[in-house]
Amino acid sequence: DIQMTQSPSSLSASVGDRVTITCRASQSISTYLNWYQQKPGKAPKLLIYAASSLQSGVPSRFSGSGSGTDFTLTISSLRPEDFATYYCQQSYSTPRTFGGGTKVEIK
Amino acid sequence: QVQLVQSGAEVKKPGASMKVSCKASGYTFTNYYIHWVRQAPGQGLEWMGIINPSGGSTSYAQKFQGRVTMTRDTSTSTVYMELSSLRSEDTAVYYCAREESVGYCSGDICYSVPVYDYWGQGTLVTVSS
Repeated sequence: DIQMTQSPSSLSASVGDRVTITCRASQSISTYLNWYQQKPGKAPKLLIYAASSLQSGVPSRFSGSGSGTDFTLTISSLRPEDFATYYCQQSYSTPRTFGGGTKVEIK
Repeated sequence: QVQLVQSGAEVKKPGASMKVSCKASGYTFTNYYIHWVRQAPGQGLEWMGIINPSGGSTSYAQKFQGRVTMTRDTSTSTVYMELSSLRSEDTAVYYCAREESVGYCSGDICYSVPVYDYWGQGTLVTVSS
């Protein structure tokens, strides 16, 4: 199975801050990497697919990069509605493993 | 519009079985795989398995092999996930999610990348004596 490791597991940031979350795969997954945002009590929502493509309707302050084993999700200027938990997931093979999540909290 | 509507919350005793349904609407049911993902309280997302609604083929996470069964009813566009021999650690919100393959091109090379584009609302299953 491909292991996905996210860091940090949590972070505190202020509105307007630039935030970066990293995700590492235990083997190369090319760009089969997706990012999801989850708010309390809600299902996850797709933000970024194929490592760097923005899902329709997602604000442009979100961006993704990387390939192979190392990936990054960046929020260029944090807004109040961005406080949530973010998960990476590989869709290279089954089982479709997720990272452990990064909780973005208000400083 | 595409919707995945799941059955309601359940309370089960240890050793019992649970069966959660996921009713699809707004698209051709047999054209998209359905995955099941669970989330224990305060924890991350855990992939359980996938079903192809067209032929009914399945693939399960090794962790759940022997305890999980995913089925579908094409007449009602509904997918089911049954988990047996429940224990307290199975207390979680269970989600179904539709898999879409999205086209992505890098230079001259194009791929189809699977994503979860629609999710059910989640079903809380509590296992407690």
